Amino acid sequence: AQTVTQSQPEMSVQEAETVTLSCTYDTSESDYYLFWYKQPPSRQMILVIRQEAYKQQNATENRFSVNFQKAAKSFSLKISDSQLGDAAMYFCAYRDIREETSGSRLTFGEGTQLTVNP
Amino acid sequence: DTAVSQTPKYLVTQMGNDKSIKCEQNLGHDTMYWYKQDSKKFLKIMFSYNNKELIINETVPNRFSPKSPDKAHLNLHINSLELGDSAVYFCASSQVPGASGSTQFFGPGTRLTVL
Repeated sequence: AQTVTQSQPEMSVQEAETVTLSCTYDTSESDYYLFWYKQPPSRQMILVIRQEAYKQQNATENRFSVNFQKAAKSFSLKISDSQLGDAAMYFCAYRDIREETSGSRLTFGEGTQLTVNP
Repeated sequence: DTAVSQTPKYLVTQMGNDKSIKCEQNLGHDTMYWYKQDSKKFLKIMFSYNNKELIINETVPNRFSPKSPDKAHLNLHINSLELGDSAVYFCASSQVPGASGSTQFFGPGTRLTVL
């Protein structure tokens, strides 16, 4: 079974600085998707960024980028120019491409609580 | 226009009661899901439906019964509520399973408190 691990329960960053959140996963599949979701205090789950495992290029979305290391099974999220609105719980998630192995479920990590200090 | 909506957002009830949570999506997606987020914020899949057919049924007590009247709706009925059922329940939807990059979109969650 696939597992996702986020080893940093809490992180903090100063406004305007850069922070990196770590995520590792375990799978025997070669093709899959990885996601970062953000959950602010409103508890809405918001997609931040998505990476397809077959793509070597790291995904970027404005101030958010990932460092995807397939061999190491690592998928970290970098937030540049941190803003107060970035404060939230961040979840790393994994999804198999093959429907028959997972039913397209998302497997989540434990989450990292990010605090942004003014 | 809310893409994935859930009602109610808050539900407080007594042990032993039966309650339902409703979910609707207007994205035209074929697959819908229920996830449970426990007190430690851990999220785990409970069920998924593709076009009204059950695909995933995790090791969830049979007191939990999902029902999909059509592919835009997936409701969750819970019988004989227990204290341990207190959690936030999220509905989500996505395009056809296996479709390239099918991202799951989540509803706002329902916080269930069992007293």
